Amino acid sequence: EVQLLESGGGLVQPGGSLRLSCVVSGFTFSSYAMNWVRQAPGKGLEWVSSIRGSGDSVFYADSVKGRFTISRDNSKNTLYLQMNSLRAEDTAVYYCAKVALQGVIRASFDHWGQETLVTVSS
Amino acid sequence: DIVMTQSPDSLAVSLGERATINCKSSQSVLNSTNNKNYLAWYQQKPGQPPKLLFHWASIRESGVPDRVSGSGSGTDFTLTISSLQAADVAVYYCQQYYSLPITFGQGTRLEIK
Repeated sequence: EVQLLESGGGLVQPGGSLRLSCVVSGFTFSSYAMNWVRQAPGKGLEWVSSIRGSGDSVFYADSVKGRFTISRDNSKNTLYLQMNSLRAEDTAVYYCAKVALQGVIRASFDHWGQETLVTVSS
Repeated sequence: DIVMTQSPDSLAVSLGERATINCKSSQSVLNSTNNKNYLAWYQQKPGQPPKLLFHWASIRESGVPDRVSGSGSGTDFTLTISSLQAADVAVYYCQQYYSLPITFGQGTRLEIK
C-alpha cells in the first residue's frame, strides 16, 4: 500500500523558515517524480514544486521561486521542502503528491499525503 | 502559464440526477505526438486530500464508479456524474499537466439540492 506522511508544519513568523518532510512507503521512491501542492484556507489547489526521481531536476512555481527548495533523499524514502523567507500568503496546508507514471514529471498525481499545516503569522 | 477555468463554481443537483462540470484550458493540452490529453480530475472531500478520478482526461482510476465519466479534448473537458449520490458531495478540480507550471482549475463545489 502506498503511503505518504508529511510532517514539519507549524506556526512561524514572517521571514522565518520551516522544513517539511514527506516519508513514503509502498513503491520504489527513486522511480517517481514527486510534488508539493498547497491549499490556502478555503481556497483551491496550487502546485508548488516538482522534483524528478533522481533529484537532478527541480521546478518551482513563480510564487515560491528563490525562497523554497525541494529535495529528496532516495536512501531514506523522503521528500523535503525547505521554506525560507516565509510570508503570510504562504499560509496553507501542504501536501506531498506522487506522480502516476514512472520516469516522468508531467503526469497526474495518484497518491497524496494527508497534509501538514503551515501558518505564517506574527 | 495555462489557465484552467471551471464552470460553474458551485452546483446543486438532486439525488439521482445528472451533474456536469466543465473545465476549459487557455491553450490545448493535447499532445499530438501521443494523442493524449494531459488533463486530470480530482475529488476533494472536507478534511481530506484530493483523490485522483481521471487521468488522460477520460481514463478512470480504479474504484471510481462508472456512473462518473470524463470526456473532452484539446481545450474543453467535462466531468459527468450520471446519477448523483450522497457520496459525490465534494469539490472537484481539473488539472493540466501538459506544461509547467502545473495548474488547477479553481474548483467546483457539488452539493445536493
